[in-house]
Amino acid sequence: QVQLVQSGAEVKKPGASVKVSCKASGYTFTSYGISWVRQAPGQGLEWMGWISAYNGNTNYAQKLQGRVTMTTDTSTSTAYMELRSLRSDDTAVYYCARAPVYAYFDYWGQGTLVTVSS
Amino acid sequence: EIVLTQSPDFQSVTPKEKVTITCRASQSIGSSLHWYQQKPDQSPKLLIKYASQSISGVPSRFSGSGSGTDFTLTINSLEAEDAATYYCHQSSSLPWTFGQGTKVEIK
Repeated sequence: QVQLVQSGAEVKKPGASVKVSCKASGYTFTSYGISWVRQAPGQGLEWMGWISAYNGNTNYAQKLQGRVTMTTDTSTSTAYMELRSLRSDDTAVYYCARAPVYAYFDYWGQGTLVTVSS
Repeated sequence: EIVLTQSPDFQSVTPKEKVTITCRASQSIGSSLHWYQQKPDQSPKLLIKYASQSISGVPSRFSGSGSGTDFTLTINSLEAEDAATYYCHQSSSLPWTFGQGTKVEIK
């Protein structure tokens, strides 16, 4: 069965960086992309970007350009999302989701809470 | 950026009642509209893809319709377990966007 297992909760200070991992299993990793979606406390869903696990091509939300980097390691079927220069409004649950190109998100990770606080 | 506007924001419904949630896009997106259900403290779950295509394992009381700019998610005969927030999402053009969500409460 398809599973996406994310790394654990993080607490970071403003200005720091965080790197969240998402380990995939149960399917051919390189046949799909991975999208990252975040959800601030009590708020809705915000798409952050997408990466092709086949060739590493990326698309990022413009508001995060320059602060976010998405990568994959095909040897371990793991996707990573790094967010730099963290601010308090980056506090959110970060989800990875399996994503066919330009389509829906059919499987989601369990979410990783990132708290940014001084 | 394509803006998705859902209505209503909140709905309180009795069991077995029919629920209709609408999602309006700021420009035509064809059928590239998907619906998700998110229960408290859980990850979102895909309910409907491409406006009306069903997903394996999702109860048949969930259905979707629409194309272009106007879309509908229908829950026939609501059950207590359907208490959740529902989101629409467009994949027609980047950046992909979500509606603001519709919270469904069981009376």
